[in-house]
Amino acid sequence: TQLLEQSPQFLSIQEGENLTVYCNSSSVFSSLQWYRQEPGEGPVLLVTVVTGGEVKKLKRLTFQFGDARKDSSLHITAAQPGDTGLYLCAGAQGYGGSQGNLIFGKGTKLSVKP
Amino acid sequence: EAEVAQSPRYKITEKSQAVAFWCDPISGHATLYWYRQILGQGPELLVQFQDESVVDDSQLPKDRFSAERLKGVDSTLKIQPAELGDSAMYLCASSSTRGSGSWYTQYFGPGTRLTVL
Repeated sequence: TQLLEQSPQFLSIQEGENLTVYCNSSSVFSSLQWYRQEPGEGPVLLVTVVTGGEVKKLKRLTFQFGDARKDSSLHITAAQPGDTGLYLCAGAQGYGGSQGNLIFGKGTKLSVKP
Repeated sequence: EAEVAQSPRYKITEKSQAVAFWCDPISGHATLYWYRQILGQGPELLVQFQDESVVDDSQLPKDRFSAERLKGVDSTLKIQPAELGDSAMYLCASSSTRGSGSWYTQYFGPGTRLTVL
């Protein structure tokens, strides 16, 4: 069974601080996606990374896919209370019609205090 | 922007009762997924459809759960009878997987929060 391990599981910080969330696996993924989920809502896609070593930036969020496509990180600069939520990474294996399913990590619950 | 629709948003039922959830994927998305998410955990796949066909239901508890997507568009997930341990968020997602050699993205609906008393 392929596993995606996320760390830390919980993170509570003050507004303005920086943070990094990690997503690690022993398996290779064709793509890796990051979602943010608020309580009582479905996950909302933040970014998809597909190339080993790829870095994508979304305002204050920076996503990196490991060179070997087994791990990823999410870095948030100057966190704001609106960043509060559950951050999920999900890996896909295969391509096109043989892509298989997304494998989700258990998530990192982030709380940003004003 | 197109969205995945789910209903109801919340459902409270007593154990041994039957419940059903509905999902309407983004128009044109051939692949539809049902996930179950227990509080504090990541989503876990229950069933995957490609058009009207089931391609993966290995994690679906078939003694009590059933899913259908008769016309390859919207889908229904049913639980009968519901048990206390079924309390969770049930999420529907869709993706467009047509074309070879391409990666895909799953778009999630708002979910149905089920509470079994």
